[in-house]
Amino acid sequence: DTEVTQTPKHLVMGMTNKKSLKCEQHMGHRAMYWYKQKAKKPPELMFVYSYEKLSINESVPSRFSPECPNSSLLNLHLHALQPEDSALYLCASSHQGPERLVPYEQYFGPGTRLTVT
Amino acid sequence: KQEVTQIPAALSVPEGENLVLNCSFTDSAIYNLQWFRQDPGKGLTSLLLIQSSQREQTSGRLNASLDKSSGRSTLYIAASQPGDSATYLCAVPSNAGGTSYGKLTFGQGTILTVHP
Repeated sequence: DTEVTQTPKHLVMGMTNKKSLKCEQHMGHRAMYWYKQKAKKPPELMFVYSYEKLSINESVPSRFSPECPNSSLLNLHLHALQPEDSALYLCASSHQGPERLVPYEQYFGPGTRLTVT
Repeated sequence: KQEVTQIPAALSVPEGENLVLNCSFTDSAIYNLQWFRQDPGKGLTSLLLIQSSQREQTSGRLNASLDKSSGRSTLYIAASQPGDSATYLCAVPSNAGGTSYGKLTFGQGTILTVHP
């Protein structure tokens, strides 16, 4: 099973709302990723979790708050977003050795289409 | 800083044609290269991962080649079908270790349309 699931599929939120995106995988992967993708552009990395610890934050605004409660789950908490944050948010996962020496194949979920009004 | 370029940006072919998508990268010190397919509004589907020690990787009608020394990879699609219509992305990971582990650098993609 090489499936990464994401919920919800679509989300519309106002600029004062608080919402969360959820990602789950059961492949035993210890690296999980959040990407943001705007229309007609490639995905842009936001965060990387390695063994449930945040290892990369690509200078993402604090209105995006990631969380990795266990090795299978990854959340992205959203608060006070702006209309320009509307995008497709993609989660991915991959194997990772503890020494983080070899980059493995990344598997992506179907994404959450976020619209901020 | 690694830069990845894909040519052409868009390609329209009749069904049945064999076609080649190109990907080039500036830093040849890569561990692997991954090809993805993305349908409109959907997530990325991993098609092939080719290791730096490999020259080719095949899956069904797809064949990916890698020439590290020249910084190039090609994705060959045989006997194209309308269902192959999608955006194809190539990506290379940051070099091992350090603070950039796991970061993929993507090309801008090739939009493929196969018409009946």
